[in-house]
Amino acid sequence: DTEVTQTPKHLVMGMTNKKSLKCEQHMGHRAMYWYKQKAKKPPELMFVYSYEKLSINESVPSRFSPECPNSSLLNLHLHALQPEDSALYLCASSHPGLAGGSSYNEQFFGPGTRLTVL
Amino acid sequence: SQQGEEDPQALSIQEGENATMNCSYKTSINNLQWYRQNSGRGLVHLILIRSNEREKHSGRLRVTLDTSKKSSSLLITASRAADTASYFCATDRGTGGFKTIFGAGTRLFVKA
Repeated sequence: DTEVTQTPKHLVMGMTNKKSLKCEQHMGHRAMYWYKQKAKKPPELMFVYSYEKLSINESVPSRFSPECPNSSLLNLHLHALQPEDSALYLCASSHPGLAGGSSYNEQFFGPGTRLTVL
Repeated sequence: SQQGEEDPQALSIQEGENATMNCSYKTSINNLQWYRQNSGRGLVHLILIRSNEREKHSGRLRVTLDTSKKSSSLLITASRAADTASYFCATDRGTGGFKTIFGAGTRLFVKA
């Protein structure tokens, strides 16, 4: 199974709502990523988990809260978002590479969740 | 600052022609990768070239890497309408873990 799944595919939420995005992979990858992508722009890295521990947080606002409950699952909890947070949210996974991150492997991406904040 | 800059931003060619996209980056890297993204969908990995490699082939794809110029190119030969997509280069920093930075991307349109 070389698939990364993401749910939901589309999400519309108000600025006072709390919602969660989910990502799942069964490839045995121990690195998982969240990206944000605005229209006609490249993906921007938000968070990286390595062996279920948060290893990179790219100064993302606290209204985004990641969680990695086990090696197959990655969540992104959303609270009090702003309209400018509307975007495609992509999850990816990969082998974590060598210790210290001195190597790097291809990332497998999910189809994304299209988020609209009203 | 953005790690990968790509040119051209957009490219329109006829089916059967070759398409060349370029990527430049600023800091040292371990590897450079190319990804394809069909409209509004997830990215698909195309090819990875390590910093000690100069050229790599995969099917109709040819990637070159020049670390002295901090640049890479992706050549798609004998393009097909199905190659229509956005193409991104992605680099990871030389140190500090696998922080991925994507270039701005090239939007390729192949006319049948």
